[in-house]
Parts: sequence; C-alpha cells; structure tokens
Amino acid sequence: AQKVTQAQTEISVVEKEDVTLDCVYETRDTTYYLFWYKQPPSGELVFLIRRNSFDEQNEISGRYSWNFQKSTSSFNFTITASQVVDSAVYFCALPGGTGGFKTIFGAGTRLFVKA
Amino acid sequence: DTAVSQTPKYLVTQMGNDKSIKCEQNLGHDTMYWYKQDSKKFLKIMFSYNNKELIINETVPNRFSPKSPDKAHLNLHINSLELGDSAVYFCASSQEITAEQYFGPGTRLTVT
Repeated sequence: AQKVTQAQTEISVVEKEDVTLDCVYETRDTTYYLFWYKQPPSGELVFLIRRNSFDEQNEISGRYSWNFQKSTSSFNFTITASQVVDSAVYFCALPGGTGGFKTIFGAGTRLFVKA
Repeated sequence: DTAVSQTPKYLVTQMGNDKSIKCEQNLGHDTMYWYKQDSKKFLKIMFSYNNKELIINETVPNRFSPKSPDKAHLNLHINSLELGDSAVYFCASSQEITAEQYFGPGTRLTVT
C-alpha cells in the first residue's frame, strides 16, 4: 500500500534561514509521481512541483529546491532564505491505488517563519 | 476566471439535516476529486471521478453521495449530517491522474 510520511509536524525558523521539509514515501509501483502542495493560512491548496520517479535530478525554482532520492524513498523540499510569506502547511503527495486515482497526502508540515 | 469553484464557502447546519456542496471546474479536466480535511489538517481522499464515472470511493459512509452530471461538475450531497462530518471539504480536478491537481477554495462545514 502507498504511504507518505512527513515526520516534522511543525518547524519554526527566523526569516532568511534555510529550512528543509522531509518527505518519505512507500510504494510498490515502479513508475510513480510525487507532488508538493502548499496551504497558506488563507486555506487554499496550491501545487508546487511534480516529480517523475525516473527523473532523479534535483530541481530548483527560485528559493525552492527539491531533492529526490529513490534509494532512500525521499523527496525533500528546501526553502532557501525563508520569508514570512512562506509560512504555510506543506504537503507531500503520492497518487496510487486503483489506477492511480487515490492520492495519498502526508500529514503535512506546518512552517512558521518569524520576522 | 476561477479554475475550480465551490459553493457554498461556509455551511453551518444542525445534526440530522441534509446538505449539498457544488463544485465546478472550467479547466476542461477529465478527473475530479473530493477530499476531506479535518481539524488537524489531515487531507483524505473521499471520491475520484473520471469522465463522470466513479473510480474511487474511499470507505466513505453511504450518507455521502457524489454526483457528476457532466465532466465539469462534481457535487457532494450529505444526508443525516453528524457532528463528525464537520471539516473542510475540497474539490479538485486534474487533466489526468499523474498531473497536478487544482483545488477549489474549500467548503467549511460545521455541524452543530
């Protein structure tokens, strides 16, 4: 069965610090996709990134970077020089189940960035 | 233009009542979903639809009945509401199952 673990419940940092959010997953599929979503205090869920299991290259988008390691089944997310606007709950997700229609979300990591 | 819209945004009702939440997407996506987010922010899939057909029913009580009149709409009807149904319900859509999901703004349901 699919599983996504985000062991960090809450992280608190001061602005401009770097922070890494961990995501560990379990799947029996040989091909799969992983996602990160952001939920700011306003409540909406916003897509951040999708990663194919065949592509282990790290990805960088501005202050955001993602490190995908199949060997450790991890897909970690780093925010460089964090800002107050980064304060949100971040979810890692893995589609699976019947034909991939059942997306499993991790429990989320709440990030507080203090000014 | 709102990509995925839900109505109402807030719903306060008493136990035992029946209520509906509507969802519409204007993205032309084939796949739509309902999620429940509890007070601890845990997000759980309830239903997945593809081309108006139910694919996933994730052990949701049969008091919950989704309906997809067309590919752009996926409504959720809840009978005999219980206190434990209080949560935020999110509708989402995606072009395909491996693509990113676009979420509606959520409907905060409070059952008293």
